[in-house]
Amino acid sequence: AQRVTQPEKLLSVFKGAPVELKCNYSYSGSPELFWYVQYSRQRLQLLLRHISRESIKGFTADLNKGETSFHLKKPFAQEEDSAMYYCALSGRGTDKLIFGTGTRLQVFP
Amino acid sequence: DADVTQTPRNRITKTGKRIMLECSQTKGHDRMYWYRQDPGLGLRLIYYSFDVKDINKGEISDGYSVSRQAQAKFSLSLESAIPNQTALYFCATSDQGQGAGDEQFFGPGTRLTVL
Repeated sequence: AQRVTQPEKLLSVFKGAPVELKCNYSYSGSPELFWYVQYSRQRLQLLLRHISRESIKGFTADLNKGETSFHLKKPFAQEEDSAMYYCALSGRGTDKLIFGTGTRLQVFP
Repeated sequence: DADVTQTPRNRITKTGKRIMLECSQTKGHDRMYWYRQDPGLGLRLIYYSFDVKDINKGEISDGYSVSRQAQAKFSLSLESAIPNQTALYFCATSDQGQGAGDEQFFGPGTRLTVL
């Protein structure tokens, strides 16, 4: 079955601390993995995708096919990183997204 | 992103009523989607359309129907609303798939409450 698991509903850290939001997936085939973010009072938007191998706002995520994981990391959290983060996957060649349940990140000053 | 708009933004209705949620986009994208978001469940796909003549059921299509009136418009209908359809509904669009992880662009959401 195709599934995305985000085990943490809430992650609270202090400013400057490292952050890792966990994402594991189940998919038969070659998935494409994404992180979407929803800041307060803003629309859900793409943060990064594994195929681009880029760092956005200091966040990175590496696809680990052996562990079927796509954890989102940032070495030093900022208050403006506070948001809801969703991991999602789609099958190669299709745009249908399967979302995880989301992790709310709170960064305290 | 003002290119994807949803109307209404909030709606309260009663059980058994027919409700239509509308989505319009000016991005020129072929692909459109309807999701619902529930606390603790994330976003789940209701229906999607890859072009005007194409309609597909998503993960949770029961109790819903859609209409793709034009490339720019994709409407979601609840024929007879029930309380467990109370949720936040999102429309999204994407460009024709290039097989390389196309970004989806989301509307602001419609908060629907069914009493």
